Amino acid sequence: GENVEQHPSTLSVQEGDSAVIKCTYSDSASNYFPWYKQELGKRPQLIIDIRSNVGEKKDQRIAVTLNKTAKHFSLHITETQPEDSAVYFCAASANAGKSTFGDGTTLTVKP
Amino acid sequence: GAVVSQHPSWVICKSGTSVKIECRSLDFQATTMFWYRQFPKQSLMLMATSNEGSKATYEQGVEKDKFLINHASLTLSTLTVTSAHPEDSSFYICSARSTVHWGNEQFFGPGTRLTVL
Repeated sequence: GENVEQHPSTLSVQEGDSAVIKCTYSDSASNYFPWYKQELGKRPQLIIDIRSNVGEKKDQRIAVTLNKTAKHFSLHITETQPEDSAVYFCAASANAGKSTFGDGTTLTVKP
Repeated sequence: GAVVSQHPSWVICKSGTSVKIECRSLDFQATTMFWYRQFPKQSLMLMATSNEGSKATYEQGVEKDKFLINHASLTLSTLTVTSAHPEDSSFYICSARSTVHWGNEQFFGPGTRLTVL
């Protein structure tokens, strides 16, 4: 089955700096890669996703890049703000299949 | 985006009792619903995949006789934790998907905090 590894497990940055979280996956059939933000006690919220037919996607301060050959994808947050502090999860899935989640990254943005 | 509700949002029960959690897709018909369990400071662990009208597919290590899943309609799935024990205390989250409309994108419910005394 699919195996998703996520790094780092914790990340602390100064407000205004950039944050990068990386994930690798094992199943070459995976073609959908979402990123979720989860605040304590709340549901995961989709912040950006990418499908295997593109290499990069951007939405304001958030971007995701995908390298299918190397089987890794990354989340980039620029101009971080304290409200970006949360746990971030990557995931991977193939067509109509179940999602496999990374272990999560706790991001702390210091004012 | 689509809306998924979950009920109850929290429940406290005595050891040995059963607890039912409902997951509803409010504004779309979900071809598939997923049930996850999340322990503190851990990732979401998939328990089972539920398709309307058919038996749920359980992940390895998840006891299907303990975690009963019923997917009676395209908008409702239920998870019943039978004979609950303190080690079953966790955050249970469902998600729903409509591959026809949104491909593989999942929409999560708000979660249910289960505490077994």
